[in-house]
Amino acid sequence: KQEVTQIPAALSVPEGENLVLNCSFTDSAIYNLQWFRQDPGKGLTSLLLIQSSQREQTSGRLNASLDKSSGRSTLYIAASQPGDSATYLCAPLDGQNFVFGPGTRLSVLP
Amino acid sequence: EAQVTQNPRYLITVTGKKLTVTCSQNMNHEYMSWYRQDPGLGLRQIYYSMNVEVTDKGDVPEGYKVSRKEKRNFPLILESPSPNQTSLYFCASSPEGRGSPLHFGNGTRLTVT
Repeated sequence: KQEVTQIPAALSVPEGENLVLNCSFTDSAIYNLQWFRQDPGKGLTSLLLIQSSQREQTSGRLNASLDKSSGRSTLYIAASQPGDSATYLCAPLDGQNFVFGPGTRLSVLP
Repeated sequence: EAQVTQNPRYLITVTGKKLTVTCSQNMNHEYMSWYRQDPGLGLRQIYYSMNVEVTDKGDVPEGYKVSRKEKRNFPLILESPSPNQTSLYFCASSPEGRGSPLHFGNGTRLTVT
C-alpha cells in the first residue's frame, strides 16, 4: 500500500526566503503526482501536476520536481511571501486514486 | 465560474439520523470523488466515480453510500451516521481522473453526536 510522508511537518520562514518542501512515497509505480495548497477552512487548490514521464513542472514562483525511481518529489518556492502561508500537500496517483501526504504547514512572516 | 459546490458547509446531527451531503460540479468533469480529512490521518478517499453510473470504493467506504445518476452530481449518503464519522468532508472532480488536476469543493464539516 502506498505511503506518503512529507518533511518538514511545519516550517516558519521570514519573507523573501527560498524554500524546499519534501515529499516521499513508497511505491514508485505512480502515474503522476500533484502538489496542493490548503488554506484554513477551505478546500485544496491544485498547484502543479507532474506526469510520471516528466522531471519538473513550473508555475510562477513554484517549481516541482519528481524522481520516481527514488520515490521523491520536491516543491521549491522562490522569494516566499506572507500570502504563501498555507498547508502544502503532495499526492501521488496510485492506480485510480490519489494518496495524500500529511502536509507541510508553512508560515511566511512579514 | 467553474467550481465544485458542496452543501451544507456545516452539519450537526445525531447518531442514526440519515443525511446526504450534496456535491455538484459545473465543469462537465467525468471523474468525481469524496474524501474525509481527519487530524493525524490526513485525506482519505471514501468513494470515487469514473463516469455516470460507475462508482468504486476508496480506502474508507464503510458506512457511506454514493450515487452518480447525472454527470454533475455526486451525493454522499450516510444511512446511519455514527460519531466516528465526525470529520471534514471534501468532494473533488477532474476532467478524466488519471492525469488530470483535481478540483476541490470547500468542504463540509460534519459533527455526529
